Formats: sequence, C-alpha cells, structure tokens
Amino acid sequence: DAMVIQNPRYQVTQFGKPVTLSCSQTLNHNVMYWYQQKSSQAPKLLFHYYDKDFNNEADTPDNFQSRRPNTSFCFLDIRSPGLGDAAMYLCATSRDAGTYNEQFFGPGTRLTVL
Amino acid sequence: KNQVEQSPQSLIILEGKNCTLQCNYTVSPFSNLRWYKQDTGRGPVSLTIMTFSENTKSNGRYTATLDADTKQSSLHITASQLSDSASYICVVRLTSGTYKYIFGTGTRLKVLA
Repeated sequence: DAMVIQNPRYQVTQFGKPVTLSCSQTLNHNVMYWYQQKSSQAPKLLFHYYDKDFNNEADTPDNFQSRRPNTSFCFLDIRSPGLGDAAMYLCATSRDAGTYNEQFFGPGTRLTVL
Repeated sequence: KNQVEQSPQSLIILEGKNCTLQCNYTVSPFSNLRWYKQDTGRGPVSLTIMTFSENTKSNGRYTATLDADTKQSSLHITASQLSDSASYICVVRLTSGTYKYIFGTGTRLKVLA
C-alpha cells in the first residue's frame, strides 16, 4: 500500500560526514519534491523535479544536492551536514501541475547530526 | 509577500467536542487551498482541496470552508476523537502551472479523553 517510501526513517550522521536520504514512489508521478521541516515549523521546499528537470529553490544551500536517476527514485545528498541541518526531511510526489493535483508525502526521514 | 498564517498555534479539547481551526492567507495568484493532517513523526496527509470557487468541502468529520474574498479558510472537526491529535497544516498553492506551495506553520491539536 505504501505509495511514497522514504529510507531510512531515522538517520544519524556526524558533523561534516556526507549523508544520502532516499525516496521512492509507486505512483508513477512526474513530480518529486524534497522538503525540510524543523521542529514546529512549516515544511520548506528545497527543490523539485518535473520528470528529469531539476528546480532548485533560490535559498536552498549549496550543501544540498539531489539526484533523480529514474521516475521512481529521488535522492537527497547533504555533502557536509551541519548541526543546523538536523530536521525531518519529507519527500512528496504529484502527478503534474493540474489544479486538483495532490501532493502525496512520505513518512519522512528524521536526520540527527552529532 | 506570500504568507499563510494559522491560528491558534495549539489547541486542547476534550474528546467528543467540536473545534475550528483558522487559516488566513495573502497568496497571489491563488490556485487552491489544502488542509493536511500531520501526525507526530509522519508526513502530512491530505484532508481537503478547494479552489477559489468552492466554499466548503467535507471529508468525514472534517469540513473545510473557504472565503476567497476575505482570504480565509477554516477547518471544522466534529465529534473529536483521540486519533485527531495531530498538527493541521493549511497549504495554499499558487496558480496552476507552477509547483509553489505556501505552507502555514500548523495548529497543534491535542484531544484528551
């Protein structure tokens, strides 16, 4: 039944040690998003893909990169995690840009930086 | 500046009671407004989606209203249950064709037995 799957659910890394979070979907949606959500805050869009077209938000730090090797998978790479990058990372998908286009979210990966 | 503000920030009610959560937005151009439920440690789950021409939409015990003139929306929860304890997030999408969603910071609801 799972439609948007994120692995791992919990990730612990050390300050400055690269980490990769993964997201997969069984919905065959064109659009995939990565959000960062810190405690008691709204999710903040980092970037999104429409198919293979990558769209980076202007205020997304260079420390964050993403890859989408195929329709089903999308990865978030944090090259040198800092303490301020500790957060919940949410992956979401949507079919396209239609008015009733709904975003489906994964359960999130909680990242801890030691 | 595109913003979505929600109130109250947190709310505690007794099981079986009703409650109403508020969302005010200053987003333009407006496409649609969504309410999500986010359980602690989980991703948001969609409850309702409304365009500017829709005034109300229901999903079980959840009823959302939208006043596009005043740019206000509300989410009414009827006969609350313990499982309703969660954060409720109002999200406004900019005009169709873009992928920009403006998220509110949410209302944290706690339902007590």
